[in-house]
Amino acid sequence: TQLLEQSPQFLSIQEGENLTVYCNSSSVFSSLQWYRQEPGEGPVLLVTVVTGGEVKKLKRLTFQFGDARKDSSLHITAAQPGDTGLYLCAGARNDYKLSFGAGTTVTVRA
Amino acid sequence: KAGVTQTPRYLIKTRGQQVTLSCSPISGHRSVSWYQQTPGQGLQFLFEYFSETQRNKGNFPGRFSGRQFSNSRSEMNVSTLELGDSALYLCASSLSSGGNNEQFFGPGTRLTVL
Repeated sequence: TQLLEQSPQFLSIQEGENLTVYCNSSSVFSSLQWYRQEPGEGPVLLVTVVTGGEVKKLKRLTFQFGDARKDSSLHITAAQPGDTGLYLCAGARNDYKLSFGAGTTVTVRA
Repeated sequence: KAGVTQTPRYLIKTRGQQVTLSCSPISGHRSVSWYQQTPGQGLQFLFEYFSETQRNKGNFPGRFSGRQFSNSRSEMNVSTLELGDSALYLCASSLSSGGNNEQFFGPGTRLTVL
């Protein structure tokens, strides 16, 4: 059983459309990180959110941390083919371990 | 600054054999974590080393072991390989210990057990 549940598992959209990926848990995290992984590469950190209710923007990407620090979302506006990849959320708890969700595979069609 | 490097990139072994994977962290990083990534289970934490000491361990059998050297380079070893050990093994380095620190991942070693 995953500590962090990501949804949807797969997402295929047309270029220019918006998308949202969700990351949910019953556990509280001290911080939550979002990564993107491309085939043949390791995950690359996109953002870290720390404070409940925090919203961070990275160009067309908007990340939100839930008020209770148990969930997070990633929203992409006007998706482009370059946004294609596996999106992973990862939560850090006080035991110092980083727990990853199973990931959401995003495909943006030109 | 050079990124995290892992060797080898690809490896094919047979059941019962043992394997050693290597990870060189970013210069100045003292923490190295290892993860196993499979399509069914996603990224699973194996262990973390900091200053040559294992700081954290995931829920993997004793066949999985690791160590860290004084220059922060790390190796992980898997003995008596099983088919289910086929996976992408990723290492990540960070300045300090703990999941709250930004982790930088290497490209991984793709292990296939036949």
